Amino acid sequence: EAGVAQSPRYKIIEKRQSVAFWCNPISGHATLYWYQQILGQGPKLLIQFQNNGVVDDSQLPKDRFSAERLKGVDSTLKIQPAKLEDSAVYLCASSLEGGASYEQYFGPGTRLTVT
Amino acid sequence: AQTVTQSQPEMSVQEAETVTLSCTYDTSESDYYLFWYKQPPSRQMILVIRQEAYKQQNATENRFSVNFQKAAKSFSLKISDSQLGDAAMYFCAYRYISGYALNFGKGTSLLVTP
Repeated sequence: EAGVAQSPRYKIIEKRQSVAFWCNPISGHATLYWYQQILGQGPKLLIQFQNNGVVDDSQLPKDRFSAERLKGVDSTLKIQPAKLEDSAVYLCASSLEGGASYEQYFGPGTRLTVT
Repeated sequence: AQTVTQSQPEMSVQEAETVTLSCTYDTSESDYYLFWYKQPPSRQMILVIRQEAYKQQNATENRFSVNFQKAAKSFSLKISDSQLGDAAMYFCAYRYISGYALNFGKGTSLLVTP
């Protein structure tokens, strides 16, 4: 079974530029999560999708971050414009359903450096 | 809000020895899940073990076991017969049974020496 795929693995941009990350969840998984992991900290949930609908985006900085999950499969997370404090690893995860008992499977992440 | 605290930024263990990683959490809920995740340098988070709060029996997965003390809000991970491949960041996480997000601690870096 293929795992969660993410691209790119690394990205370096200057502040005020825009960037997009892509995630392909495990086939058949209805729930998709984006986490932000700043160096030295644990991941923090940015947004959760159930199929193509948003379930929780309470910690997403909506003035600069946006995410979509068209057709309930792949997802894209965008930052525009980027700030220095956005430097982090962005992790995508998926689970069969959204309930707490369902295991979340994580992708390898995208390391973003904003200079 | 739920908070998860890992008080050991770094731990070291010799191969074949046993090590215990500590985790405490704060919640007003009675039904929840607790998890330990491993994150190697490849960055991919891997679930090590999980515990349902309603279960009194401590979870065990091969060389990994937990000591779950609900009243004390403590959830420690014991790794027996440590192997070089166990070296990684270990994160403790909490999830409310009806909630969405995994709430992670700051992690403990485990070094395994030959």
